Amino acid sequence: DAGITQSPRYKITETGRQVTLMCHQTWSHSYMFWYRQDLGHGLRLIYYSAAADITDKGEVPDGYVVSRSKTENFPLTLESATRSQTSVYFCASTLRWGTLNSGANVLTFGAGSRLTVL
Amino acid sequence: KQEVTQIPAALSVPEGENLVLNCSFTDSAIYNLQWFRQDPGKGLTSLLLIQSSQREQTSGRLNASLDKSSGRSTLYIAASQPGDSATYLCAAWMDSSYKLIFGSGTRLLVRP
Repeated sequence: DAGITQSPRYKITETGRQVTLMCHQTWSHSYMFWYRQDLGHGLRLIYYSAAADITDKGEVPDGYVVSRSKTENFPLTLESATRSQTSVYFCASTLRWGTLNSGANVLTFGAGSRLTVL
Repeated sequence: KQEVTQIPAALSVPEGENLVLNCSFTDSAIYNLQWFRQDPGKGLTSLLLIQSSQREQTSGRLNASLDKSSGRSTLYIAASQPGDSATYLCAAWMDSSYKLIFGSGTRLLVRP
């Protein structure tokens, strides 16, 4: 299916466990992002990637690890989950960023992964 | 530090009304401002993006305006329909970073 897909959609885990959230896009978009959405904080950027093998920290990167070995995949790993990481996680992508060209910076979001850490 | 604020947090209107959603930002040095729609349990859908050099953008019944000098953007929805019920978020891109700064959203309910 074309688009951007996240898996799993729902996950319950325990404190201290490692969890990986998957993100796959079919457009060959260069730029991919991970956001978390929490009541009272809105959406906050965790990590982003400008291309395969290029990643960098966003606003709230602590406790998370990302990789991007292939353009289409951008997994987010919680190395040792904590209760404060209970949230809804969104992956997003765009073809172009940082220019004023038409279509640049227009993000397409996945449906989200709801993570509960007990 | 840039802050993006959306007021009101929730809005309920009868079908057919024209309505305005507000977004304000504290730092006028934005590159662009984007409006999104979020349905319950779903991701965000980009509605309109206004570059800093533009004053407005239109798509169908939606019109978004940008006034950098006053630090405001508005999303105008004409002839509202129950299908417009969703949360609407605005987000500002500030600089050469990759971060969008999101408002907390306005939850809109259009009553039949």
